[in-house]
Amino acid sequence: QVQLQESGPGLVKPSDTLSLTCAVSGYSISSSNWWGWIRQPPGKGLEWIGYIYYSGSTYYNPSLKSRVTMSVDTSKNQFSLKLSSVTAVDTAVYYCARINEDRGVSNWFDPWGQGTLVTVSS
Amino acid sequence: QSVLTQPPSVSGAPGQRVTISCTGSSSNIGAGYDVHWYQQLPGTAPKLLIYGNSNRPSGVPDRFSGSKSGTSASLAITGLQAEDEADYYCQSYDSSLSGFVFGTGTKVTVL
Repeated sequence: QVQLQESGPGLVKPSDTLSLTCAVSGYSISSSNWWGWIRQPPGKGLEWIGYIYYSGSTYYNPSLKSRVTMSVDTSKNQFSLKLSSVTAVDTAVYYCARINEDRGVSNWFDPWGQGTLVTVSS
Repeated sequence: QSVLTQPPSVSGAPGQRVTISCTGSSSNIGAGYDVHWYQQLPGTAPKLLIYGNSNRPSGVPDRFSGSKSGTSASLAITGLQAEDEADYYCQSYDSSLSGFVFGTGTKVTVL
């Protein structure tokens, strides 16, 4: 059974860098899947942040691209997210998920991690 | 930034049928990309409900069904139950973003 678990600081100061890791168990991160990050501000909807392949190839949401860096560590079967110069608007629950693909036109997130709340505050 | 539009809320009595629409554009749903649906119960992570427009993962009741036409998609819940009270999100891929887009979300209330 595939499981994903996010970890990282729950409180980050404004202008600092948010760093999160997603540990994958029950499945090799080097399999033919992309891996993604999604966030959800309190009381609001879902926003895609970006996704990464085990080779290190990445795609980022254009609205966050200048501040986002993703990386993968195949030896630890995990991938990571860094978001720089954070402000209060970056306060959200951050989720990691496996991306499943079919026929090149169908990509969906499953499973998801339980999510971790990151608050940006001094 | 959501580019897929959903109604903020829908409601129905137990046993009734409700539908949730998801409207996109020519760069996502209209471009032929599939639509997927997620159910988010209060305080929990989203859970895959429908993938590939109309496919149910193992364990999802057949009360849930999905369809797609043109630049829109729909999720139907028949035989509404109290446990279906949750937020529902559609999701697709957008070629102009080279990335994923989510719907604005719909809260389903069981009266």
